[in-house]
Order: sequence, then C-alpha cells, then structure tokens
Amino acid sequence: EPEVTQTPSHQVTQMGQEVILRCVPISNHLYFYWYRQILGQKVEFLVSFYNNEISEKSEIFDDQFSVERPDGSNFTLKIRSTKLEDSAMYFCASSERAYEQYFGPGTRLTVT
Amino acid sequence: AQSVSQHNHHVILSEAASLELGCNYSYGGTVNLFWYVQYPGQHLQLLLKYFSGDPLVKGIKGFEAEFIKSKFSFNLRKPSVQWSDTAEYFCAVTLGGFQKLVFGTGTRLLVSP
Repeated sequence: EPEVTQTPSHQVTQMGQEVILRCVPISNHLYFYWYRQILGQKVEFLVSFYNNEISEKSEIFDDQFSVERPDGSNFTLKIRSTKLEDSAMYFCASSERAYEQYFGPGTRLTVT
Repeated sequence: AQSVSQHNHHVILSEAASLELGCNYSYGGTVNLFWYVQYPGQHLQLLLKYFSGDPLVKGIKGFEAEFIKSKFSFNLRKPSVQWSDTAEYFCAVTLGGFQKLVFGTGTRLLVSP
C-alpha cells in the first residue's frame, strides 16, 4: 500500500538555523499538507498546498515558514530561522481529493 | 473559535470490554468528521470518516462511529476491544469548505490482556 514518507525522522538544529523537512506524498495525490504537534499538545494545521500554491494557512505559518514542491515527488517545509518553540513533531499529509488525508510518520524537530 | 473536544484523555480497558470514545465539535455549519489512530511507534492512520449519508459509519478493525448532528458529536465505538487496539485515538473535523483538519487532544487507550 502506498505511503507518505518523511525525512529525516529526527532533526536537531541550533536556534536561528534554517531547516528543511522533506516529504514524499503518495504519487497520485494532488493535495499536500503540513501539521505539527508540540509535545503534549494537539496536532495543529500549518498549511495546505494544491496546484503549486498555498490554498490555506494557519496563523502559525508566518514568514519564517515556506513550502515548496521542487519536483514531481517531493514536498518540503522550510523554517528560515528556527526558534526554541518550533520544537515539535512535523507531519506531512496528502490526499487524492480534498479532506481524506493520509499522514507520514513525522519528523521530530529539536531546536537547541 | 471552532474546536474539537475529546472528553477522555486516558482509558484503560480489559480485553473484550466495549469501547466508546467521545468527540464533540463546536461549529454550526457543514463538517466532515474523522477518527485517526496512532499505534505505538507508527504514524496517524485513518480509522473511519463521515462526509454525508448514513450517520452510522463503519471503519477498519471493527470500529464504528455515529454522527449525531443535534449533539455535535461523533463518538467512536467498538463492541469488543483487543490488546492490539492499544493506541492513541484522535477525532478530527474539517469545517465548511476548508481542507484543514482540526484535531482533538487525543485519547490514549490501553487494553490489558
């Protein structure tokens, strides 16, 4: 069964550094998403992406964040200058149609 | 603000017991409703979904959920749990025409053999 994959599984970075989290969505899916879960808190929506542009974003998704689909298979989340409070599990998801989303295993980001 | 509430944060059951996990949402418009499960060390998996039609939906592994519009609820049920159902269960909704999932806090279920 096709799955969403994410790399790396764990990323440690220093405050102020840029990080890029990578995702490979399911191949025939058209909608792509990033969510995050800070330890002990809810899973929170960050952004959705369709037809090579952002379709929705949350208040969390400020100018420090960006997304890109650099080729036909990858979907990336970039954080330009990481803060301590960006430490979280970041989940990528994709869907063939809107709504029914399939999640990847997540990348644990630790900012020190 | 729109929100999703899961009332039980931790549930402990013995095998063969019945399960019901509560989920309520606060939004007056059209919703799509989901339950996701996260087994230990694994990623979020879609357990079942409701878009429209029969308010009683059946999912994988013997789970079902009932949408009660008047109560803004979408409770998850299973008549007889197994040890392998030990996991964290998340209720989530999409609101109106938007795609973003709004998640509840999750319920950790521990099933003892």
